[in-house]
Amino acid sequence: KAGVTQTPRYLIKTRGQQVTLSCSPISGHRSVSWYQQTPGQGLQFLFEYFSETQRNKGNFPGRFSGRQFSNSRSEMNVSTLELGDSALYLCASSARQGRITNEKLFFGSGTQLSVL
Amino acid sequence: GQQVMQIPQYQHVQEGEDFTTYCNSSTTLSNIQWYKQRPGGHPVFLIQLVKSGEVKKQKRLTFQFGEAKKNSSLHITATQTTDVGTYFCYSGGGADGLTFGKGTHLIIQP
Repeated sequence: KAGVTQTPRYLIKTRGQQVTLSCSPISGHRSVSWYQQTPGQGLQFLFEYFSETQRNKGNFPGRFSGRQFSNSRSEMNVSTLELGDSALYLCASSARQGRITNEKLFFGSGTQLSVL
Repeated sequence: GQQVMQIPQYQHVQEGEDFTTYCNSSTTLSNIQWYKQRPGGHPVFLIQLVKSGEVKKQKRLTFQFGEAKKNSSLHITATQTTDVGTYFCYSGGGADGLTFGKGTHLIIQP
């Protein structure tokens, strides 16, 4: 089984621009969650999608948005980039169905975003 | 909302010493998972604990879930250089989203 694929691997943008990141989950997984990872803050939850619906959302400003397609692939978008948005963005897929999960997360390699 | 606190943030040990990281929640957890992230890598699932007081072992790693299901620990016996990385606890239950602790960075000095 192919793992979770994230593209692009690296991205350099300037302040004020917008960016779209892509995540293809493991085949059969319908839950995709996104995380921002910075050295001081660990893994911060952005949002989770299940069957094209946003099921949970973390405490991030509205500049951060996402969506999920019918094939479970997901994208996240960050508009009006700020220097503080520089981070590793990780997505994870799981076989999670309901709200309480016993399913493990499978992570992609992440997209390293640098905002200049 | 559900918060998962993890301590310590950093732990320096000599190779061969033991290491323990703790995860504490303000609310009762339905389950807890542990992940390891090697430097430059992505988090990888280690184990899941579900039952109150549960203890699981993987070679030199021992995982424990508290009786009240509000805390958990990961203990590594006789650390090796391959144990270097960041260890995260994770709770995926509840309406507040999918919560990771901030992680414990394990640094091993040979």
